[in-house]
Amino acid sequence: DAEITQSPRHKITETGRQVTLACHQTWNHNNMFWYRQDLGHGLRLIHYSYGVHDTNKGEVSDGYSVSRSNTEDLPLTLESAASSQTSVYFCASSGGLGYEQFFGPGTRLTVL
Amino acid sequence: GENVEQHPSTLSVQEGDSAVIKCTYSDSASNYFPWYKQELGKRPQLIIDIRSNVGEKKDQRIAVTLNKTAKHFSLHITETQPEDSAVYFCAAVNQFYFGTGTSLTVIP
Repeated sequence: DAEITQSPRHKITETGRQVTLACHQTWNHNNMFWYRQDLGHGLRLIHYSYGVHDTNKGEVSDGYSVSRSNTEDLPLTLESAASSQTSVYFCASSGGLGYEQFFGPGTRLTVL
Repeated sequence: GENVEQHPSTLSVQEGDSAVIKCTYSDSASNYFPWYKQELGKRPQLIIDIRSNVGEKKDQRIAVTLNKTAKHFSLHITETQPEDSAVYFCAAVNQFYFGTGTSLTVIP
């Protein structure tokens, strides 16, 4: 069965370190998204991609970057982790803008 | 970008009663309006969606209504059950922006 996975599921890091969160989907979806979820803020869009080599900034993109070298993967990189980036991160994919997003299981990141 | 407001932030109902969650959006180009349910510790999952050419859609105990003129849409859950307890998110899609969520508690 097609699926979307994230790794690691839990990560503790220190301020200033570079961190990369992996997202892999086997739906063959063109669209992929990264969100962060914080209490009181819901799901906020960080970056998104509509296809290979396409990346776009969302509403909270500062301090984050993504790259899309193939259809299946959209890794999220925190260039220099800050305590404000402690959050739960969800990756999602969809077959198009007007179609269901399928979410990964989430990564809980703690920056100390 | 899109601004999606969702109300209420918390909602408690007695089992068997109805629950209504409302969302407003600002981008008139939005044409797809999904609702997601997120149980504690789990990932969000789609429960119902509606497109801009439709005013209402039902799926068993769940319905969504859309008023494009007023730029608001609502989720209606009838005959609520304890397993409906979760956080519900709306979204308005031109790009993909979510509301801030409604924590629904169904009291047995």
